[in-house]
Amino acid sequence: EDKVVQSPLSLVVHEGDTVTLNCSYEVTNFRSLLWYKQEKKAPTFLFMLTSSGIEKKSGRLSSILDKKELFSILNITATQTGDSAIYLCAVALLSNYQLIWGAGTKLIIKP
Amino acid sequence: GAGVSQSPSNKVTEKGKDVELRCDPISGHTALYWYRQSLGQGLEFLIYFQGNSAPDKSGLPSDRFSAERTGGSVSTLTIQRTQQEDSAVYLCASSPGQGNIQYFGAGTRLSVL
Repeated sequence: EDKVVQSPLSLVVHEGDTVTLNCSYEVTNFRSLLWYKQEKKAPTFLFMLTSSGIEKKSGRLSSILDKKELFSILNITATQTGDSAIYLCAVALLSNYQLIWGAGTKLIIKP
Repeated sequence: GAGVSQSPSNKVTEKGKDVELRCDPISGHTALYWYRQSLGQGLEFLIYFQGNSAPDKSGLPSDRFSAERTGGSVSTLTIQRTQQEDSAVYLCASSPGQGNIQYFGAGTRLSVL
């Protein structure tokens, strides 16, 4: 059965700290891995990764994929209270239209 | 439109009533997805549309749930005879096609009393 596992489930850090969120997967027919940030209700797209070893960056956020070890990490440096959210990881398959979603990591940044 | 639009943003209903939730996807997006998210839980896939067709309805939790999409655009998710366990946030997403990035609406928070 295809599955995506995120860790940790929750994380509390202080403003300015650096955090690393993990996403591991076991799927058939991998197409891509996506990261989303969910505040309030709507998940917003962060990154899509398809190739191993190529870092995607956006400001203080970066992500990388390891297709050999079947995982991805999302790094946030110099965290701010506005980074508090649930971070969701999902894997897209070649064989169909669905995204396989992880349960998310709840990140809380304390001032 | 500029983004995925869902209405209403909040809906409170009494147990046993029917509700209709609406999703207006990004213009030109052929794929449309409905998800349900209960408090503190991940995203639960409900149904997928490609154009007006729903190739996979297997995520719908019971026969009280149905969805349709007309004109390859707006979709409605209908829940008949609502139960308290239907209380959740219902999220809609659209994408340019199969396997592409999904863009989400702000969701409808359904509360069944």
